[in-house]
Amino acid sequence: DTGVSQDPRHKITKRGQNVTFRCDPISEHNRLYWYRQTLGQGPEFLTYFQNEAQLEKSRLLSDRFSAERPKGSFSTLEIQRTEQGDSAMYLCASSASTGAGANVLTFGAGSRLTVL
Amino acid sequence: AQKVTQAQTEISVVEKEDVTLDCVYETRDTTYYLFWYKQPPSGELVFLIRRNSFDEQNEISGRYSWNFQKSTSSFNFTITASQVVDSAVYFCALIPFSGGYNKLIFGAGTRLAVHP
Repeated sequence: DTGVSQDPRHKITKRGQNVTFRCDPISEHNRLYWYRQTLGQGPEFLTYFQNEAQLEKSRLLSDRFSAERPKGSFSTLEIQRTEQGDSAMYLCASSASTGAGANVLTFGAGSRLTVL
Repeated sequence: AQKVTQAQTEISVVEKEDVTLDCVYETRDTTYYLFWYKQPPSGELVFLIRRNSFDEQNEISGRYSWNFQKSTSSFNFTITASQVVDSAVYFCALIPFSGGYNKLIFGAGTRLAVHP
């Protein structure tokens, strides 16, 4: 297993455009998380899935943000009508919910978004 | 409140010095997990340790050691004989039991610079 993969690694877009990020978790992990990290801050929770069900969303996740995990495997995070304040690193993580590795999140390298 | 505080924003040491990174947490839960993650310049968060709230034994792994004290709500991390490769941002994090261990709450991080 190659760990958690995120694509693209970098995205530069103009304000008002839509962007989509993809995350491929570790295959044995049934939980998938999205976090956002801005410069000099710790990662902030956005949302999480258990299998294909989205079970919690942060208040940080405005109506312009939508996340999906259609088959309980990969996930996408879409931001519509991007704003400059959306510029950040978007981190994906996965974990098991049971067993010795339960609740240990493995993170991907992140997708850095710059909104001009 | 569920919160993690890392009061040290930046620490600078010379190689071979010992350094302790402080972490104080707040939670209303009696059952929780505590974590430390390392974020090197490459950006990918790397898991270092997970500690159950019922296990206050200190842990040592090579040059790394962790001191968990429930009485002071602290989970401090010590690097012995620091090396340049230890330069990174270190995050302390908390997963409370409430809600099913589904949200990892990070502190703001401590940037450690180890100089030769």
